Amino acid sequence: AQKITQTQPGMFVQEKEAVTLDCTYDTSDPSYGLFWYKQPSSGEMIFLIYQGSYDQQNATEGRYSLNFQKARKSANLVISASQLGDSAMYFCAMRDKDDYKLSFGAGTTVTVRA
Amino acid sequence: DTAVSQTPKYLVTQMGNDKSIKCEQNLGHDTMYWYKQDSKKFLKIMFSYNNKELIINETVPNRFSPKSPDKAHLNLHINSLELGDSAVYFCASSQGVAGLAKNIQYFGAGTRLSVL
Repeated sequence: AQKITQTQPGMFVQEKEAVTLDCTYDTSDPSYGLFWYKQPSSGEMIFLIYQGSYDQQNATEGRYSLNFQKARKSANLVISASQLGDSAMYFCAMRDKDDYKLSFGAGTTVTVRA
Repeated sequence: DTAVSQTPKYLVTQMGNDKSIKCEQNLGHDTMYWYKQDSKKFLKIMFSYNNKELIINETVPNRFSPKSPDKAHLNLHINSLELGDSAVYFCASSQGVAGLAKNIQYFGAGTRLSVL
């Protein structure tokens, strides 16, 4: 069974600074995908970034990067140069190779301060 | 054009009523999902359809019945609504192909259901 752990319920970050959101996972499948989603206060779920278990490089998408440490089973999201619009809840999720469903962590609320 | 659209966005109803939530995607995906987000923001899969065939049916009361008339639509019907059904329901879609970990699910805006 998959399990995703996000240990930080909430974080504050100053505008223009970087913030790291922690995510650890557990799976017995060697092939899996890791995903991060953003949920702003308006409620929608926005896909941010994906990392495959066999990817050699850490994923990056604009100001988002994923610090993937396979041996430690962690997939931390780094948001660089934080903006006020980054204030939201962030979810880490995982999917095993032959499984259709995403398993989500409990989420981390990020508040960006001006 | 919204890629995954759900209607309605808000649904307020009395206990015991029957209600439906509709979902449509214009991404050409062949797999669609329903997720439930509870009051603590925890997201959990409920159902998934691949090419109109039910492939995931988690432990969900049988008062919940999904229906997929075609690949682009997945509706959720709920009978005899209970207070505990109050939640945000998300529809999602992906180009679901078994064996591919990179299978990004795109979500609708959610339907906030309040049962009084």
